[in-house]
Amino acid sequence: DGGITQSPKYLFRKEGQNVTLSCEQNLNHDAMYWYRQDPGQGLRLIYYSQIVNDFQKGDIAEGYSVSREKKESFPLTVTSAQKNPTAFYLCASRHRDKSTEAFFGQGTRLTVV
Amino acid sequence: GEDVEQSLFLSVREGDSSVINCTYTDSSSTYLYWYKQEPGAGLQLLTYIFSNMDMKQDQRLTVLLNKKDKHLSLRIADTQTGDSAIYFCAESNFGNEKLTFGTGTRLTIIP
Repeated sequence: DGGITQSPKYLFRKEGQNVTLSCEQNLNHDAMYWYRQDPGQGLRLIYYSQIVNDFQKGDIAEGYSVSREKKESFPLTVTSAQKNPTAFYLCASRHRDKSTEAFFGQGTRLTVV
Repeated sequence: GEDVEQSLFLSVREGDSSVINCTYTDSSSTYLYWYKQEPGAGLQLLTYIFSNMDMKQDQRLTVLLNKKDKHLSLRIADTQTGDSAIYFCAESNFGNEKLTFGTGTRLTIIP
């Protein structure tokens, strides 16, 4: 079955540590996205990628990094520079045709302890 | 830059219609979307509308677009308990893959 998979579902991190969230899709989608969700603030765009080996900063990229070495994969690293990393992180993908829907993963809840 | 605004909460009695509103600022928005998020899950697309349309109906869902006022609404007829969720408005435009979401409206159904 085609889909988009995020792992892990829950992640705990100690302050000062980097952590990488996985996002994989087998939908042959060109574009992939990372969003952060906080209560009352909706989804805020962290990074997005339109094609392999290329990505753009979203609205809240500071303290995050990404790579797009393969079409299927778009991992997000939350670095120690991110001051408030505890949140629900959502990955999405879609075809470059603007009319098609974005498919979302089930999310990763990151908690800093 | 793009900005999409929604009310945070809406409560509706079971069986009534729900109307969720959204305003956006980008006049070049080409596609406008409504997504639904159930607790602890990702988002699912409910429907979308092209900017050259005024209305789109899909079973219990009706989308109205007022392009002049940059206002989008989602009407859910005969609201059921299963409609309890957060509803997100989103927009995108040609030449830019960026997909911008609103703050989300939490719909609560009153029995």
